[in-house]
Amino acid sequence: RKEVEQDPGPFNVPEGATVAFNCTYSNSASQSFFWYRQDCRKEPKLLMSVYSSGNEDGRFTAQLNRASQYISLLIRDSKLSDSATYLCVVNNGNFGNEKLTFGTGTRLTIIP
Amino acid sequence: DTAVSQTPKYLVTQMGNDKSIKCEQNLGHDTMYWYKQDSKKFLKIMFSYNNKELIINETVPNRFSPKSPDKAHLNLHINSLELGDSAVYFCASSQDTAGNYEQYFGPGTRLTVT
Repeated sequence: RKEVEQDPGPFNVPEGATVAFNCTYSNSASQSFFWYRQDCRKEPKLLMSVYSSGNEDGRFTAQLNRASQYISLLIRDSKLSDSATYLCVVNNGNFGNEKLTFGTGTRLTIIP
Repeated sequence: DTAVSQTPKYLVTQMGNDKSIKCEQNLGHDTMYWYKQDSKKFLKIMFSYNNKELIINETVPNRFSPKSPDKAHLNLHINSLELGDSAVYFCASSQDTAGNYEQYFGPGTRLTVT
């Protein structure tokens, strides 16, 4: 099983729709989780951290299910500017030697 | 103001050559990283430095040698370049080594080995 696994897509979604991505991770000891966003030919940027209690930032909602070892990202009222690759990221490693493991990303295209 | 900068942005070179990529961050962060993103867009960590000290060294060929002259700079030197080294190399920095800190990425260096 891959350390971090995502459906690569592409997801082609009409503007205004709601879209959700899931991501699974293999290391049950992982402590921190994130969604990063990467635009075409650009660097990844942090979209949001994922907390155990779930968290929301505007149109974006992230959830963590530790028992099933998956993370989700929900985007409501999608905009054209949401078109990007969404990277699921898990913090693996020991204290002082922590490293981020990136999924291969889910490509999202919002269609006008 | 650029937070994490890399030079060059593009690098085209022939097999067997030696090349360097430079990275600088002006965020005052203690930790810097090198990542490789291959043609399948898979982003994988190569090295991590904290206060100029190497703390993560993933399974990377010895041809790759990072150097951190100070905590604001992390350079990557590659000897005897191979076709498989073609990729985008991203430098990143974070406040500390703890995994819950946001990592800030540079714009990437697109390396093409012919």
